[in-house]
Amino acid sequence: DGGITQSPKYLFRKEGQNVTLSCEQNLNHDAMYWYRQDPGQGLRLIYYSHIVNDFQKGDIAEGYSVSREKKESFPLTVTSAQKNPTAFYLCASSMESAGEKLFFGSGTQLSVL
Amino acid sequence: QKEVEQDPGPLSVPEGAIVSLNCTYSNSAFQYFMWYRQYSRKGPELLMYTYSSGNKEDGRFTAQVDKSSKYISLFIRDSQPSDSATYLCAMSNTGRRALTFGSGTRLQVQP
Repeated sequence: DGGITQSPKYLFRKEGQNVTLSCEQNLNHDAMYWYRQDPGQGLRLIYYSHIVNDFQKGDIAEGYSVSREKKESFPLTVTSAQKNPTAFYLCASSMESAGEKLFFGSGTQLSVL
Repeated sequence: QKEVEQDPGPLSVPEGAIVSLNCTYSNSAFQYFMWYRQYSRKGPELLMYTYSSGNKEDGRFTAQVDKSSKYISLFIRDSQPSDSATYLCAMSNTGRRALTFGSGTRLQVQP
């Protein structure tokens, strides 16, 4: 089955720790995105990538980092600089020619211990 | 002021009711308008997609876009308990980098 796989489903971070959220897609999509969802605030864009080895900051990139070494993979690292990391993180992908039609993963809930 | 405004609800209706969900926006450059449905703690799924103004119908769902008023709507006819979810509007422009989402409206359809 084609789709987007996010792992883990739940993740806990200790103070001062970096954690990495995995996102893999087998849809052959060019573009991939990371969104953060907080209760009552909808989805906010963290980073996006339209092509391998290239990515751009979104609206709330501070405290996060990404890489795009392979077309299928777009991991997100939440660094210790992100002081309020507790949120539901969603990865998405789309065809470059249809960037409006996002396909989402099932999300990762990150909490601080 | 947010670029996209959406009433957070919750909106509670009886089964079989007609539901109206709405968003307003301020960026006149938006050309692509979407509605996503999100069940609790799941990823959103694309429900309706509209380019520019007009109506689009798909089964029990109708999406309307009024660019002159910067207002979009989603109508659900004969609502079912399985329609209970959060509905997110989203939009982008032709020079798009990524979608701008509303905050979502939580809908509860009571059996």
